[in-house]
Amino acid sequence: QKEVEQDPGPLSVPEGAIVSLNCTYSNSAFQYFMWYRQYSRKGPELLMYTYSSGNKEDGRFTAQVDKSSKYISLFIRDSQPSDSATYLCAMSASNTGNQFYFGTGTSLTVIP
Amino acid sequence: KAGVTQTPRYLIKTRGQQVTLSCSPISGHRSVSWYQQTPGQGLQFLFEYFSETQRNKGNFPGRFSGRQFSNSRSEMNVSTLELGDSALYLCASATRTSGINSRPYEQYFGPGTRLTVT
Repeated sequence: QKEVEQDPGPLSVPEGAIVSLNCTYSNSAFQYFMWYRQYSRKGPELLMYTYSSGNKEDGRFTAQVDKSSKYISLFIRDSQPSDSATYLCAMSASNTGNQFYFGTGTSLTVIP
Repeated sequence: KAGVTQTPRYLIKTRGQQVTLSCSPISGHRSVSWYQQTPGQGLQFLFEYFSETQRNKGNFPGRFSGRQFSNSRSEMNVSTLELGDSALYLCASATRTSGINSRPYEQYFGPGTRLTVT
């Protein structure tokens, strides 16, 4: 079993929709969670960084962590065609340097 | 501020050869991590360097090695290339690495080096 599981999609939504992207994990030591966006032929771009359980909002993006269920989510409100990309979740524990464990990514297409 | 740069961007090698990839972190960043990205496995951690020392290492064979220079630039070397080494190799930089009981730091990725082994 992989430490981080992410539905690869693809996910296709109409412009303006609310998008929900999710990851599950098995290692209860994970406390730090990131979401990245990766456009084709580009490196991942950091979107959100959260610690432990709870919500964090940044513009149209909301990251949610439920440590009791080992489940994290990224919500995108008012989705735009420019949001079309692959979204990667990543997570880490303390005392492991900057080593992060990544999901395989969810491919999202927002249709105008 | 300039981002993370990686060279070369594309590389084609033959089985059995070796290859060296280069990464220049964001100015002021002292931690450099390397990841391998493949369609089936996603991003997998190779190793992290901080202040010219390897901080930790992922589960890759010894054919994969790296180093970091005093200016924080890093190189990754893969010897005796195999077909399965074909991947996008990504470098990520961070201001520093985490200490005992402290959080890991935000990582900023470069565009990657696309390695094809034939």
